[in-house]
Amino acid sequence: DAGVIQSPRHEVTEMGQEVTLRCKPISGHDYLFWYRQTMMRGLELLIYFNNNVPIDDSGMPEDRFSAKMPNASFSTLKIQPSEPRDSAVYFCASSLGALPEQYFGPGTRLTVT
Amino acid sequence: AQTVTQSQPEMSVQEAETVTLSCTYDTSESDYYLFWYKQPPSRQMILVIRQEAYKQQNATENRFSVNFQKAAKSFSLKISDSQLGDAAMYFCAYRGGNMLTFGGGTRLMVKP
Repeated sequence: DAGVIQSPRHEVTEMGQEVTLRCKPISGHDYLFWYRQTMMRGLELLIYFNNNVPIDDSGMPEDRFSAKMPNASFSTLKIQPSEPRDSAVYFCASSLGALPEQYFGPGTRLTVT
Repeated sequence: AQTVTQSQPEMSVQEAETVTLSCTYDTSESDYYLFWYKQPPSRQMILVIRQEAYKQQNATENRFSVNFQKAAKSFSLKISDSQLGDAAMYFCAYRGGNMLTFGGGTRLMVKP
């Protein structure tokens, strides 16, 4: 079975540019999570969806960040405009119903110069 | 808010030996889950083991086992017969509701 798929795996962009990260959750999973990993702050939850609806976006750092889930098999995290401090690894994870395990994608390493 | 603390930034173990990674957490909830995730250099987050708070029995997965002390809010991971492939960052995580809270991680080095 395919796991969580993220694209791109690496992204290098210049400050001020728009960045879009993509995620395909495991088929059938109804929860989707976006995390960010940095040396300074570790792993932190940005936002999560249930049945395509955003449930908690309190971790989204600021208005430059937005996330959507147009259908059960696709989600995007957009940063516009990007800044050097957004450089991090962004993970997408999914889970099924009441089961507690979250399964992570391989992550996208974002570098903003 | 829940917090998860891993007090050992780095640990080292000789191949074939046993090592224990520590984790403590703070919560006022009685029903929750705890996890250990492994992150090798590939950066993929791999689920190692999980523990339900309502279970007194410690979880075991092959060479990996936990020591869950609910009253002390402690959740350590023991790796037996350490292998070179065990070298990685290990993260302890708490799940109450739908959200995971992670500790800062412990880097495990395995010496041949």
